[in-house]
Amino acid sequence: GDSVTQMEGPVTLSEEAFLTINCTYTATGYPSLFWYVQYPGEGLQLLLKATKADDKGSNKGFEATYRKETTSFHLEKGSVQVSDSAVYFCALSPVYSSASKIIFGSGTRLSIRP
Amino acid sequence: GAVVSQHPSRVICKSGTSVKIECRSLDFQATTMFWYRQFPKQSLMLMATSNEGSKATYEQGVEKDKFLINHASLTLSTLTVTSAHPEDSSFYICSARSGEGGDTQYFGPGTRLTVL
Repeated sequence: GDSVTQMEGPVTLSEEAFLTINCTYTATGYPSLFWYVQYPGEGLQLLLKATKADDKGSNKGFEATYRKETTSFHLEKGSVQVSDSAVYFCALSPVYSSASKIIFGSGTRLSIRP
Repeated sequence: GAVVSQHPSRVICKSGTSVKIECRSLDFQATTMFWYRQFPKQSLMLMATSNEGSKATYEQGVEKDKFLINHASLTLSTLTVTSAHPEDSSFYICSARSGEGGDTQYFGPGTRLTVL
């Protein structure tokens, strides 16, 4: 079945460092791909999304490109801030799901040191 | 933007009691709402999908008689945990999909349930 695999955390970086969180997926056809962020004590917020191959989603300095050939959707940011500390979830919405069911990865906890 | 609220944000109850959690879409009509459960430091697991005016569709392994879902209007869905036990303690999150054809889900802030 469809699934999402993302790098295990926790990931700890210094402020202004470059961030990459890897995400790969297994799915039929062209699912929609998402990154969600969960700040401490809060629910999930959509960070960015891409709906077709080669699309680049971007928001708040974060970017991710839909790579069909490598079935990947890696999250990147050029210079992280302390406020980026959160848990990041890669997710997909299967093509076959008329109800837009979302399948989540296990999450990656990111901690940024001042 | 689309806002989803949940109430209550935290609830503590005694074992054997029932707890109702509300999920509301505040500025849009949600034909479909989803209920997730999140264990500490783990991902979200979909429990059920609910469509307004019809019975919810439960994921495999989720007891529909224990987790009662009602989607009575286009802006409100409720999850009732019946006869709660300590193992039901978790973070419950709802989401709502806005309109036909859209695939973006907007998530509520979650409800932390603690069963003593």
